[in-house]
Amino acid sequence: NAGVTQTPKFRILKIGQSMTLQCTQDMNHNYMYWYRQDPGMGLKLIYYSVGAGITDKGEVPNGYNVSRSTTEDFPLRLELAAPSQTSVYFCASRENRAGELFFGEGSRLTVL
Amino acid sequence: GNSVTQMEGPVTLSEEAFLTINCTYTATGYPSLFWYVQYPGEGLQLLLKATKADDKGSNKGFEATYRKETTSFHLEKGSVQVSDSAVYFCALSAQTGANNLFFGTGTRLTVIP
Repeated sequence: NAGVTQTPKFRILKIGQSMTLQCTQDMNHNYMYWYRQDPGMGLKLIYYSVGAGITDKGEVPNGYNVSRSTTEDFPLRLELAAPSQTSVYFCASRENRAGELFFGEGSRLTVL
Repeated sequence: GNSVTQMEGPVTLSEEAFLTINCTYTATGYPSLFWYVQYPGEGLQLLLKATKADDKGSNKGFEATYRKETTSFHLEKGSVQVSDSAVYFCALSAQTGANNLFFGTGTRLTVIP
């Protein structure tokens, strides 16, 4: 019962470095999402995908990129990390556009 | 457009107190409504849901009724426990639009013994 798995759980980056947050789900869900959650705040949608090969921008896409080459995987790429990207990142998936979301445990990123 | 307005927090209650967290929504058509809970250091998980008007979602002693006439989906629990301390998010899934998910800002609940 893996569900949605995110790696790494914690990461510290220096300004200007790049990295990829990995997200994989084993539920054969078509819809996948990346959110960020700043301290004490709600969720902001970064990117989403409605199926393999299809991605689209959410509310706060600047500084990020995604790809969806398979149904299972939806990695989030941070290019040229900035302190403003310090946050907790959550990946989520759902079976269809009306269903419940399943969340990963989150990836805590600090940019110094 | 679609949106969710949620009661501002934080909320602090004594154990066994009654809980209400207000949630109202704006949506076209007939959205599905959800409450998610986030325990400290964890991701969000579904608490309950309702997919049509007058449906009542319930789980772990929490309840919420989908009220179309008042566009509300208030979360209630008759007697809270310390273990209910968490952040609660109201959300809707709209009928139309590629990105059809909308979350409230979250309400932090702290229950003290």
